[in-house]
Amino acid sequence: AQSVTQPDIHITVSEGASLELRCNYSYGATPYLFWYVQSPGQGLQLLLKYFSGDTLVQGIKGFEAEFKRSQSSFNLRKPSVHWSDAAEYFCAVGAGSGYSTLTFGKGTMLLVSP
Amino acid sequence: EAGVAQSPRYKIIEKRQSVAFWCNPISGHATLYWYQQILGQGPKLLIQFQNNGVVDDSQLPKDRFSAERLKGVDSTLKIQPAKLEDSAVYLCASSLAGGQVYEQYFGPGTRLTVT
Repeated sequence: AQSVTQPDIHITVSEGASLELRCNYSYGATPYLFWYVQSPGQGLQLLLKYFSGDTLVQGIKGFEAEFKRSQSSFNLRKPSVHWSDAAEYFCAVGAGSGYSTLTFGKGTMLLVSP
Repeated sequence: EAGVAQSPRYKIIEKRQSVAFWCNPISGHATLYWYQQILGQGPKLLIQFQNNGVVDDSQLPKDRFSAERLKGVDSTLKIQPAKLEDSAVYLCASSLAGGQVYEQYFGPGTRLTVT
């Protein structure tokens, strides 16, 4: 069965500093990988996704992620964090019929300090 | 384009009572998902519909949870009777189709507190 590990429960970053959120997955085939963001009281919004091709994918709000098969990782990055980026971030792997069944990690809460 | 609508947004009930949540997906989206998100965890899929048929309900506690999607549009998730451990946010999502990897769009969720 597929699984996702997000090792960091909380991360605090200063505004303007760079950000990297870690995600490791376990899946027996080529994974379909996603990053979602959830602001308080809101549903999840898709930041970016990887299906195939270029291993560096660009998303919305200036985020990018790099798929590394050898490390089973799909880390999320942003070069300069804004206070509005404070939220919870979830990594997910798609599996099942048509890869439409998502298995989520437990999430990483991002705090942004002034 | 209107997003996924859910109601109610908040619900407080006592254990052993029943509760129902409603979801209206984005127009034209054939696939609908219900997730349970317990505090401190990621969403867990409960059930997936393709039109009005069930694709995956392997993680739905069928002794107390039920869901339906009549006419392939709106959906209702019911819990009867509720337990304390059912306290969670229940998220509904929809996508164009389940056979391909389409983006899932999430509603704001219903926060359930069971006392």
